[in-house]
Amino acid sequence: ETVLTQSPDFQSVSPKEKVTITCRASQSIGISLHWYQQKPDQSPRLLIKYASQSMLGVPSRFSGSGSGTDFTLTINGLEAEDAATYYCHQSDNLPMTFGQGTRLEIK
Amino acid sequence: QVQLQESGPGLVKPSETLSLTCTVSDGSIDTYCWSWVRQPPGKGLEWLGYIYDTGYSNYNPSLKSRLTMSVETSKNQLSLKLTSVTAADTAIYYCARARTGRNFFDPWGQGTLVTVSS
Repeated sequence: ETVLTQSPDFQSVSPKEKVTITCRASQSIGISLHWYQQKPDQSPRLLIKYASQSMLGVPSRFSGSGSGTDFTLTINGLEAEDAATYYCHQSDNLPMTFGQGTRLEIK
Repeated sequence: QVQLQESGPGLVKPSETLSLTCTVSDGSIDTYCWSWVRQPPGKGLEWLGYIYDTGYSNYNPSLKSRLTMSVETSKNQLSLKLTSVTAADTAIYYCARARTGRNFFDPWGQGTLVTVSS
C-alpha cells in the first residue's frame, strides 16, 4: 500500500500570502496524484488531477507540481474562501490511498 | 451535470449490516467506474472499493471480507453492503465517479453519515 504523508498538518496563513502543501509518497507513483479541497460539511472537490492539471472552474491561484514521490499544491495569493482541508490522493496502485489532510486556516 | 446522492439508514447496530445506495442522476452509470469512500467524523478519507457498470469490482483489502458492492443499471443505482459493523465503521460514506478504476474522483456525492451504535 502506498502511504501518502502530507505536511504540514495545519497551517494558519494571512490573506494574499503564498501557501505550499506537500505530499510525499512511500513509493514512486508517477504523476497519478490528485488534490482535493474539502470545506466543513461539504464533500471533497477535485482541484488538480495528475499532479498539475487544474480542473475547469478552479481559480488560477491553485497549482500543482511534482512527480515520482514528491508533490506540491501551491496557492498563490490566499483568499478567505480557501479555508479548508486539502487532501492528496494516489491512483497509481491499489488500494488507492489519501494523505491525512492539511487544514488551512485564514488569519 | 451528473449528480450523486447517497441514502440509507443513519443508525446501524453493532454486528449488523450497513446498506447504502447511491443514485446517479442527470447521467448514466454506463462506461464509468464508481467508488465508495468513507470519512470518520473529524478524520481523513479511506477508499473502500470500486465497481464498474459491468459489475466488475475491486475492494480495499482492509475491508474485503465484509464488503459487497453491486450496481443496478436499470435504476442508475449503486449499492454498498458492509457486514459485521462496529463503532469503527461510523463515518460519512461518499460515492464518487471516476473514468476508470484507478483514477481521480469527480464528482462526489454529498455523503451520508452512518453511526454504528446500540
